[in-house]
Amino acid sequence: DAKTTQPNSMESNEEEPVHLPCNHSTISGTDYIHWYRQLPSQGPEYVIHGLTSNVNNRMASLAIAEDRKSSTLILHRATLRDAAVYYCIPSGAGSYQLTFGKGTKLSVIP
Amino acid sequence: DVKVTQSSRYLVKRTGEKVFLECVQDMDHENMFWYRQDPGLGLRLIYFSYDVKMKEKGDIPEGYSVSREKKERFSLILESASTNQTSMYLCASRPGGRNAYGYTFGSGTRLTVV
Repeated sequence: DAKTTQPNSMESNEEEPVHLPCNHSTISGTDYIHWYRQLPSQGPEYVIHGLTSNVNNRMASLAIAEDRKSSTLILHRATLRDAAVYYCIPSGAGSYQLTFGKGTKLSVIP
Repeated sequence: DVKVTQSSRYLVKRTGEKVFLECVQDMDHENMFWYRQDPGLGLRLIYFSYDVKMKEKGDIPEGYSVSREKKERFSLILESASTNQTSMYLCASRPGGRNAYGYTFGSGTRLTVV
């Protein structure tokens, strides 16, 4: 599995955009980049995933660098409900499992 | 919405007891997983199952076993609970196919072994 580097923690003001970075310099060419988040006292939940192109869904956007060695999860307007630990997980198409790192703890300030 | 339901939110068991943690999913997913989560160590995979009666060891299977007799149900068994198995246990499921997209997790069972 590719190693990832994420900031331990980040802060954002409510209703402002948040950019959560992830470095995955050892990613292989067929690995997808997955993002999950874990709200307090809950199990992780799927946020978004992508391979090469930038991706958007109702929760977030994912910007993937051209060399695929890094990606950024973008929350367009942070809400208090977005306070969570965010995990960036490269994972191959042949893999059954997710390998979680330490993630980034996002705090949202009212 | 897919639901993954874990039978207990909190459990307290004594050392040496046999403990069953139950997980049920309602979307006909082929794959099911058991993780444990500990402060500073993150989520670690214990076992997973890609079909009924099939199981594979994850990263930390020692001290645990699993059972999958029906597609919707995946049980984690602690044969003889020990204090170092005090942890948050998370069950997950996802559709078949060799891709890590689309996991759904339960809310977790916080197990304390005294």
